[in-house]
Amino acid sequence: NAGVTQTPKFQVLKTGQSMTLQCAQDMNHNYMYWYRQDPGMGLKLIYYSVGAGITDKGEVPNGYNVSRSTTEDFPLRLELAAPSQTSVYFCASSPGGTETQYFGPGTRLLVL
Amino acid sequence: GENVEQHPSTLSVQEGDSAVIKCTYSDSASNYFPWYKQELGKGPQLIIDIRSNVGEKKDQRIAVTLNKTAKHFSLHITETQPEDSAVYFCAATPKDYKLSFGAGTTVTVRA
Repeated sequence: NAGVTQTPKFQVLKTGQSMTLQCAQDMNHNYMYWYRQDPGMGLKLIYYSVGAGITDKGEVPNGYNVSRSTTEDFPLRLELAAPSQTSVYFCASSPGGTETQYFGPGTRLLVL
Repeated sequence: GENVEQHPSTLSVQEGDSAVIKCTYSDSASNYFPWYKQELGKGPQLIIDIRSNVGEKKDQRIAVTLNKTAKHFSLHITETQPEDSAVYFCAATPKDYKLSFGAGTTVTVRA
């Protein structure tokens, strides 16, 4: 099993550009999550999904959108990138809500 | 929502000594408390977790304690080794399954 995979590993955007961060898992987990990690701030939940077709906001959803059309994939969309979205983004999945979350390797995003 | 505070933010210990990291949470409905280790350039990885119906859990050199009344939980690492150097995060989840993370503790084990 590859576990949780994320692409790209690193991306540079200009303010106002859009992009999609990809996340996929091959563990047949129902729950998937997107976090952002800023230096010294821990991880903040952006969006999460409890199954295909179901998504909900986390703590910091503004400026982001998600979709969950399949169990395996959970892409994160930035429509109008802003410098404040410069961060490291982690995708995670888990079998259930209070079960171990398995994290991907992260995507480092720089918005100029 | 849940608010998790973690202390200390940095911890330097001599190899072979013990390391203790403490966390407090605000939501008395929280019932799941995992600890994650993050090595440089990688995603966090679960090292141990505890549920609200248990007061203590141990796995080799790692132990976690939970005090529900005081709403705090702690990670204990004994006989520290250089490979224990990393950033450690505590987290808590109330019934809505949204994990709230502490700000992290950077642990450095000196040889």
